[in-house]
Amino acid sequence: GENVEQHPSTLSVQEGDSAVIKCTYSDSASNYFPWYKQELGKGPQLIIDIRSNVGEKKDQRIAVTLNKTAKHFSLHITETQPEDSAVYFCAASMGGSEKLVFGKGTKLTVNP
Amino acid sequence: GAGVSQSPSNKVTEKGKDVELRCDPISGHTALYWYRQSLGQGLEFLIYFQGNSAPDKSGLPSDRFSAERTGGSVSTLTIQRTQQEDSAVYLCATRPTATNEKLFFGSGTQLSVL
Repeated sequence: GENVEQHPSTLSVQEGDSAVIKCTYSDSASNYFPWYKQELGKGPQLIIDIRSNVGEKKDQRIAVTLNKTAKHFSLHITETQPEDSAVYFCAASMGGSEKLVFGKGTKLTVNP
Repeated sequence: GAGVSQSPSNKVTEKGKDVELRCDPISGHTALYWYRQSLGQGLEFLIYFQGNSAPDKSGLPSDRFSAERTGGSVSTLTIQRTQQEDSAVYLCATRPTATNEKLFFGSGTQLSVL
């Protein structure tokens, strides 16, 4: 089955710096790759997603890149702010199913 | 206009007891998922409901776990004879349609088995 590896598990940056979180997946049939942000005591919330026919997608300070050949995708946050502090999860669709397989998460801390 | 609602938000139970967790989806959302989040772990898929189709139960860890979705709306996840390793946050998520892959999560039920 699909396996999603995410790193780093924790990331600490200074306000204004960039943050990058990387994920790899195993199922070559995966075609959908979302990123979720989870704040303390809340459920995860979708922040950006990308499909396998696109190499990069941007939404203001957030961007996601996908390398299908290498089976990895990354989340880039520029000009980080304290409110970006949260746990971020990557996920990949399982080929031929409606399930998402999630990475173990990255705890991002943005220091003011 | 409310989001996905889960109850209770916290549940403390004794080992061996049965528990029932509830999920009220966003009105009209056809797909419903249950995920489990253990401390420091990712989200582990448990079960998936889509319309009137048979649910995908492939993620349920043992036969002590079951779930149902009545009338395509409210869902309950039942854990029988709870064990300490069942302690986790149980998250419900819904999707608007079969073709819209965005998941909307509830805040979860924190289950503690003593």
